[in-house]
Formats: sequence, structure tokens, C-alpha cells
Amino acid sequence: AQSVTQLGSHVSVSEGALVLLRCNYSSSVPPYLFWYVQYPNQGLQLLLKYTTGATLVKGINGFEAEFKKSETSFHLTKPSAHMSDAAEYFCAVRTLSNTGNQFYFGTGTSLTVIP
Amino acid sequence: EAQVTQNPRYLITVTGKKLTVTCSQNMNHEYMSWYRQDPGLGLRQIYYSMNVEVTDKGDVPEGYKVSRKEKRNFPLILESPSPNQTSLYFCASRGWEGQETQYFGPGTRLLVL
Repeated sequence: AQSVTQLGSHVSVSEGALVLLRCNYSSSVPPYLFWYVQYPNQGLQLLLKYTTGATLVKGINGFEAEFKKSETSFHLTKPSAHMSDAAEYFCAVRTLSNTGNQFYFGTGTSLTVIP
Repeated sequence: EAQVTQNPRYLITVTGKKLTVTCSQNMNHEYMSWYRQDPGLGLRQIYYSMNVEVTDKGDVPEGYKVSRKEKRNFPLILESPSPNQTSLYFCASRGWEGQETQYFGPGTRLLVL
């Protein structure tokens, strides 16, 4: 089975500061990669995804992530945090060697934005 | 409005009493999945389906059943719930191979006493 590691279950940043949420995966074959956001008492919403092509992908709400094959990483960044960014963030992968629809999620990072 | 719906949203039950959580999507998606979310463990896939009558186990299928008799519906069945199945459950769907965006339902919070 694949594993997805999110370093830091809780991250706090000041409003206006850089947001960096880390994600590493274990697949030896480049997978499809995703970041999802979950606001309190809601389902998950896709922030961005990498499938093929450009390794720097831009998503909603000013977030972006870079796929680095050599580091097996897909870290999420945002230049300037807003209060509305406070939420739980999940990294996920789908490996191309699987048939169908098997996804693996990290354990999540809770982002707190300090005014 | 394109959406994934789940019912019920909240459920309290007792050990051993069979229950079904329904999931329906109105986007004509081929792929559907069930996940459970537990603190510190993230989301873990229970079962997934690639089309009508095609289902497969995810990472944590023990104690669960699913069926896919119609494209839009993908119910999750707990034949004999146990307290370790207390969790937050999400249904999700995506269109077809190559269409990678999953759409999640609002979640069902289950408590098994």
C-alpha cells in the first residue's frame, strides 16, 4: 500500500505570512497528487491537483504546489495567509499502477492563522 | 446543482443493529468511493466502485458491505456495527478515468454504542 506523510499535524502562521504544508508520498511510480481542504463540519473540497505536465500547479484561493519527483514531495504553499485559510488540509495520491479508484490520504494538517 | 448527498447526516445506533448509509450523486459519475475519517488517521478508503456492479475493497473494508445497482447510488451497509466503527463517513464520486477531481458528500457522523 502507498503511504502519504504530512509533516506537522498542526501548523500556526501569522496573518500575511507564508503558508507551507508538507507532503511526501511513497510511490516509486509518479502518482496523481492532490490537496484537499476541509472546513469545520464540511466535506472535502479540492484545492489543486497534479496529473501530468507542469510540475508547479496553481489552485483555488491562491494556493499552489510543486511536484518534485526526486524528493517524492508535493508541498502546498501560499504567499500570504488569510484568516479564512484556517482549516484542515489533506494531501492525497492515486497511483497509476492501481486499477480503478484507489486513493490514499495523509493524516491531515490543521492550519491556524493568528491575527 | 451538481452534488453528492448522504443520508442520514447523523446516526446513533447500538452494537449489532444493521444500518445503511445512502449516497447518491447527480453527475452521472462512473467512480464512487466510501471513506471513513478518524482523528489522527486522516481519510481511509473503505470500498470503491468503478461502475454499476463493479466494486472493490479499499484499505479498511472489514465490517462493511457496498452495492452498486444503479449508477447514481452507492449505499454503505454495516451488517453488525461495532463501537470501533464509530466514525465520520464520506461518500465521494468522480467522472471517469482521466477526470481526477473527486466530489465529496457532506459526511455522516455515526456513533455505535
